[in-house]
Amino acid sequence: DVKVTQSSRYLVKRTGEKVFLECVQDMDHENMFWYRQDPGLGLRLIYFSYDVKMKEKGDIPEGYSVSREKKERFSLILESASTNQTSMYLCASILGQGNEQYFGPGTRLTVT
Amino acid sequence: AQRVTQPEKLLSVFKGAPVELKCNYSYSGSPELFWYVQYSRQRLQLLLRHISRESIKGFTADLNKGETSFHLKKPFAQEEDSAMYYCALSREAGTALIFGKGTTLSVSS
Repeated sequence: DVKVTQSSRYLVKRTGEKVFLECVQDMDHENMFWYRQDPGLGLRLIYFSYDVKMKEKGDIPEGYSVSREKKERFSLILESASTNQTSMYLCASILGQGNEQYFGPGTRLTVT
Repeated sequence: AQRVTQPEKLLSVFKGAPVELKCNYSYSGSPELFWYVQYSRQRLQLLLRHISRESIKGFTADLNKGETSFHLKKPFAQEEDSAMYYCALSREAGTALIFGKGTTLSVSS
Protein backbone atom coordinates (compact mmCIF):
# COMPACT_ATOMS: atom_id res chain seq x y z
CA ASP A 1 0.00 0.00 0.00
CA VAL A 2 1.58 3.22 -1.20
CA LYS A 3 2.06 5.85 1.41
CA VAL A 4 2.68 9.48 0.68
CA THR A 5 3.08 11.55 3.81
CA GLN A 6 3.40 15.28 4.30
CA SER A 7 5.11 16.82 7.28
CA SER A 8 2.25 19.04 8.45
CA ARG A 9 -1.52 19.10 7.98
CA TYR A 10 -1.83 22.74 9.00
CA LEU A 11 0.75 25.50 8.98
CA VAL A 12 0.50 29.19 9.79
CA LYS A 13 3.36 31.45 8.79
CA ARG A 14 4.01 35.16 8.60
CA THR A 15 4.67 37.14 5.44
CA GLY A 16 8.35 37.02 4.53
CA GLU A 17 9.13 33.80 6.38
CA LYS A 18 10.91 30.93 4.67
CA VAL A 19 8.65 27.89 4.62
CA PHE A 20 9.54 24.25 4.09
CA LEU A 21 6.94 21.65 3.14
CA GLU A 22 8.16 18.10 3.18
CA CYS A 23 6.85 15.05 1.37
CA VAL A 24 7.94 11.44 1.73
CA GLN A 25 6.86 8.38 -0.26
CA ASP A 26 7.69 4.81 0.61
CA MET A 27 7.22 3.00 -2.71
CA ASP A 28 10.46 3.83 -4.49
CA HIS A 29 8.67 6.05 -7.01
CA GLU A 30 10.97 8.09 -9.22
CA ASN A 31 8.48 10.83 -10.07
CA MET A 32 7.21 13.29 -7.49
CA PHE A 33 5.07 16.40 -7.76
CA TRP A 34 3.92 19.44 -5.86
CA TYR A 35 0.51 20.97 -6.60
CA ARG A 36 -1.50 23.69 -5.02
CA GLN A 37 -5.24 23.27 -4.75
CA ASP A 38 -7.48 26.33 -4.69
CA PRO A 39 -11.29 26.52 -4.87
CA GLY A 40 -12.42 27.22 -8.40
CA LEU A 41 -8.92 26.74 -9.80
CA GLY A 42 -8.42 23.02 -9.31
CA LEU A 43 -4.93 21.60 -8.96
CA ARG A 44 -2.04 23.50 -10.47
CA LEU A 45 1.41 22.02 -10.87
CA ILE A 46 4.20 23.93 -9.12
CA TYR A 47 7.26 21.72 -9.61
CA PHE A 48 8.05 18.11 -10.30
CA SER A 49 11.03 15.81 -10.21
CA TYR A 50 11.88 12.73 -12.25
CA ASP A 51 14.91 11.71 -10.27
CA VAL A 52 17.13 12.65 -7.39
CA LYS A 53 18.59 16.13 -7.77
CA MET A 54 16.45 16.73 -10.87
CA LYS A 55 13.62 19.24 -10.96
CA GLU A 56 11.34 20.74 -13.55
CA LYS A 57 9.14 23.81 -13.36
CA GLY A 58 5.45 23.28 -13.56
CA ASP A 59 2.81 25.83 -14.46
CA ILE A 60 3.18 28.17 -11.48
CA PRO A 61 6.75 27.97 -10.13
CA GLU A 62 7.15 31.65 -9.24
CA GLY A 63 7.89 32.15 -5.57
CA TYR A 64 8.71 28.47 -5.01
CA SER A 65 11.72 26.22 -5.19
CA VAL A 66 12.19 22.50 -4.54
CA SER A 67 14.79 20.08 -3.31
CA ARG A 68 15.19 16.38 -3.92
CA GLU A 69 18.29 15.01 -2.26
CA LYS A 70 16.88 11.52 -1.70
CA LYS A 71 14.56 9.50 -3.87
CA GLU A 72 11.84 9.24 -1.26
CA ARG A 73 11.78 12.91 -0.21
CA PHE A 74 10.65 15.97 -2.14
CA SER A 75 10.61 19.34 -0.43
CA LEU A 76 8.79 22.50 -1.46
CA ILE A 77 10.32 25.77 -0.33
CA LEU A 78 8.67 29.15 -0.17
CA GLU A 79 11.64 31.51 -0.06
CA SER A 80 9.65 34.46 1.26
CA ALA A 81 6.05 33.58 1.98
CA SER A 82 3.35 35.93 0.76
CA THR A 83 -0.37 36.04 1.48
CA ASN A 84 -1.21 34.88 -2.05
CA GLN A 85 0.54 31.62 -1.26
CA THR A 86 -2.14 30.74 1.26
CA SER A 87 -3.44 27.47 -0.13
CA MET A 88 -3.70 23.71 0.18
CA TYR A 89 -0.48 22.05 -1.00
CA LEU A 90 -0.59 18.49 -2.29
CA CYS A 91 2.34 16.22 -2.91
CA ALA A 92 2.07 13.21 -5.23
CA SER A 93 4.22 10.41 -6.57
CA ILE A 94 3.91 7.99 -9.47
CA LEU A 95 5.70 4.89 -10.64
CA GLY A 96 5.58 5.71 -14.33
CA GLN A 97 3.52 7.21 -17.12
CA GLY A 98 -0.07 6.01 -17.32
CA ASN A 99 -0.10 4.82 -13.73
CA GLU A 100 -1.96 6.20 -10.77
CA GLN A 101 -0.63 9.28 -9.03
CA TYR A 102 -0.70 8.76 -5.26
CA PHE A 103 -1.41 11.85 -3.24
CA GLY A 104 -0.49 12.93 0.23
CA PRO A 105 -3.11 14.25 2.67
CA GLY A 106 -2.19 17.86 1.94
CA THR A 107 -0.82 20.76 3.95
CA ARG A 108 -3.09 23.73 4.47
CA LEU A 109 -0.79 26.74 4.62
CA THR A 110 -2.00 30.10 5.85
CA VAL A 111 0.27 33.11 5.41
CA THR A 112 -0.70 36.11 7.51
CA ALA B 1 -2.31 23.99 -25.79
CA GLN B 2 -3.24 21.12 -23.55
CA ARG B 3 -6.27 21.88 -21.45
CA VAL B 4 -8.99 20.16 -19.43
CA THR B 5 -12.37 21.80 -19.04
CA GLN B 6 -15.00 20.84 -16.50
CA PRO B 7 -17.87 23.21 -17.20
CA GLU B 8 -19.85 22.60 -14.01
CA LYS B 9 -18.62 23.80 -10.63
CA LEU B 10 -21.47 22.10 -8.82
CA LEU B 11 -23.84 19.32 -9.73
CA SER B 12 -26.72 18.57 -7.39
CA VAL B 13 -28.85 15.47 -7.87
CA PHE B 14 -31.23 13.31 -5.86
CA LYS B 15 -30.36 9.83 -4.73
CA GLY B 16 -31.15 7.31 -7.45
CA ALA B 17 -30.92 9.86 -10.27
CA PRO B 18 -28.43 9.46 -13.12
CA VAL B 19 -25.24 11.47 -12.96
CA GLU B 20 -23.02 12.83 -15.70
CA LEU B 21 -19.99 14.92 -14.90
CA LYS B 22 -18.65 16.56 -18.01
CA CYS B 23 -15.03 16.75 -19.08
CA ASN B 24 -13.63 18.08 -22.34
CA TYR B 25 -9.98 18.17 -23.25
CA SER B 26 -7.63 19.74 -25.73
CA TYR B 27 -4.71 17.58 -26.81
CA SER B 28 -2.82 17.03 -30.04
CA GLY B 29 -1.76 13.39 -29.65
CA SER B 30 -3.27 10.27 -28.09
CA PRO B 31 -4.52 11.35 -24.69
CA GLU B 32 -4.40 9.45 -21.43
CA LEU B 33 -7.33 10.54 -19.29
CA PHE B 34 -8.22 9.98 -15.67
CA TRP B 35 -10.90 10.80 -13.13
CA TYR B 36 -9.75 11.53 -9.58
CA VAL B 37 -12.07 11.92 -6.60
CA GLN B 38 -11.72 13.59 -3.24
CA TYR B 39 -14.21 12.68 -0.53
CA SER B 40 -14.63 14.95 2.46
CA ARG B 41 -11.56 14.90 4.71
CA GLN B 42 -9.82 12.32 2.52
CA ARG B 43 -6.93 12.54 0.13
CA LEU B 44 -7.30 12.75 -3.61
CA GLN B 45 -7.43 9.30 -5.19
CA LEU B 46 -7.78 7.76 -8.60
CA LEU B 47 -11.30 6.75 -9.55
CA LEU B 48 -10.69 5.43 -13.02
CA ARG B 49 -8.54 5.77 -16.13
CA HIS B 50 -9.69 5.44 -19.71
CA ILE B 51 -7.19 2.74 -20.68
CA SER B 52 -8.63 0.39 -18.06
CA ARG B 53 -12.16 0.58 -19.45
CA GLU B 54 -13.43 -0.53 -16.07
CA SER B 55 -16.33 0.44 -13.85
CA ILE B 56 -15.45 1.64 -10.37
CA LYS B 57 -18.15 2.18 -7.74
CA GLY B 58 -20.67 2.08 -10.58
CA PHE B 59 -18.96 4.90 -12.48
CA THR B 60 -17.87 4.61 -16.10
CA ALA B 61 -16.21 7.03 -18.49
CA ASP B 62 -15.82 6.66 -22.22
CA LEU B 63 -13.23 8.50 -24.23
CA ASN B 64 -14.82 10.18 -27.24
CA LYS B 65 -12.01 11.42 -29.45
CA GLY B 66 -14.38 13.01 -31.94
CA GLU B 67 -15.95 15.21 -29.28
CA THR B 68 -12.74 15.34 -27.21
CA SER B 69 -14.73 14.35 -24.15
CA PHE B 70 -14.34 11.98 -21.21
CA HIS B 71 -17.59 12.34 -19.30
CA LEU B 72 -18.08 10.44 -16.04
CA LYS B 73 -21.39 8.65 -15.68
CA LYS B 74 -23.33 6.67 -13.11
CA PRO B 75 -26.87 5.43 -13.66
CA PHE B 76 -28.04 5.72 -10.04
CA ALA B 77 -26.35 8.19 -7.72
CA GLN B 78 -25.79 7.35 -4.06
CA GLU B 79 -25.29 9.77 -1.17
CA GLU B 80 -21.78 8.43 -0.64
CA ASP B 81 -20.88 9.64 -4.14
CA SER B 82 -20.90 13.21 -2.87
CA ALA B 83 -17.37 14.48 -3.41
CA MET B 84 -15.15 16.66 -5.55
CA TYR B 85 -14.33 15.12 -8.92
CA TYR B 86 -11.38 16.10 -11.09
CA CYS B 87 -10.78 15.15 -14.67
CA ALA B 88 -7.08 14.93 -15.58
CA LEU B 89 -5.00 14.58 -18.71
CA SER B 90 -1.51 13.14 -18.92
CA ARG B 91 0.92 15.64 -20.41
CA GLU B 92 2.67 14.91 -23.68
CA ALA B 93 6.02 14.24 -22.07
CA GLY B 94 6.40 12.48 -18.79
CA THR B 95 4.03 11.74 -16.01
CA ALA B 96 2.70 15.10 -14.87
CA LEU B 97 -1.05 15.63 -15.12
CA ILE B 98 -3.17 18.58 -16.14
CA PHE B 99 -6.25 18.84 -13.96
CA GLY B 100 -9.57 20.47 -14.62
CA LYS B 101 -11.00 22.87 -12.07
CA GLY B 102 -13.18 20.20 -10.54
CA THR B 103 -16.88 19.53 -10.11
CA THR B 104 -18.51 19.14 -6.73
CA LEU B 105 -21.16 16.43 -6.82
CA SER B 106 -23.83 16.68 -4.16
CA VAL B 107 -26.27 13.79 -3.82
CA SER B 108 -29.21 14.31 -1.50
CA SER B 109 -32.01 12.04 -0.40
